[in-house]
Amino acid sequence: DGGITQSPKYLFRKEGQNVTLSCEQNLNHDAMYWYRQDPGQGLRLIYYSQIVNDFQKGDIAEGYSVSREKKESFPLTVTSAQKNPTAFYLCASSAPGTGGFGQPQHFGDGTRLSIL
Amino acid sequence: SQQGEEDPQALSIQEGENATMNCSYKTSINNLQWYRQNSGRGLVHLILIRSNEREKHSGRLRVTLDTSKKSSSLLITASRAADTASYFCATETGGGNKLTFGTGTQLKVEL
Repeated sequence: DGGITQSPKYLFRKEGQNVTLSCEQNLNHDAMYWYRQDPGQGLRLIYYSQIVNDFQKGDIAEGYSVSREKKESFPLTVTSAQKNPTAFYLCASSAPGTGGFGQPQHFGDGTRLSIL
Repeated sequence: SQQGEEDPQALSIQEGENATMNCSYKTSINNLQWYRQNSGRGLVHLILIRSNEREKHSGRLRVTLDTSKKSSSLLITASRAADTASYFCATETGGGNKLTFGTGTQLKVEL
């Protein structure tokens, strides 16, 4: 079955620590995305990548970093510079959306990050 | 920034009734998408409507788009308890399939 796998499901961060959230997809999608969701809120875009070895900042990139060395993988690092990291983090992927026609995004089941 | 705003924020109905959720947005769009999120899970894509379309159907779902009013509605007919979830609209404006999500409508369908 094709899909997106996020791990771990729950993650705890100590003060001053960087943590990395994993996102793997086997849908052969070129584009991948990271979102942050706070309680009762919609999703906000952190970073996105439309092709391997390239990525762009979203609306709330400060305190986060990503890499895209392989098509199937798009890990997100929450750095110590992110002062309010407690949130639900969602990874998604899609086929390329060209000409404004759009493509559905497929989501993983998220990682819940909390501060110790 | 939040492009879409859903209305109402919360909706409680009885099984078998219809549920209507609305989404308003601020700038011109290429397409608008609706997603469902069950508690503690990822989002599931429901339907995509392009800016030159006015209505789309998928099973018990009906989506309308009024670009002159910058608004969309999602109608779920003959609702079931399993439809209980949060529903989000998302708009694509600048191309590249980059979406901006609204704040969501929390739907509860009671038996």
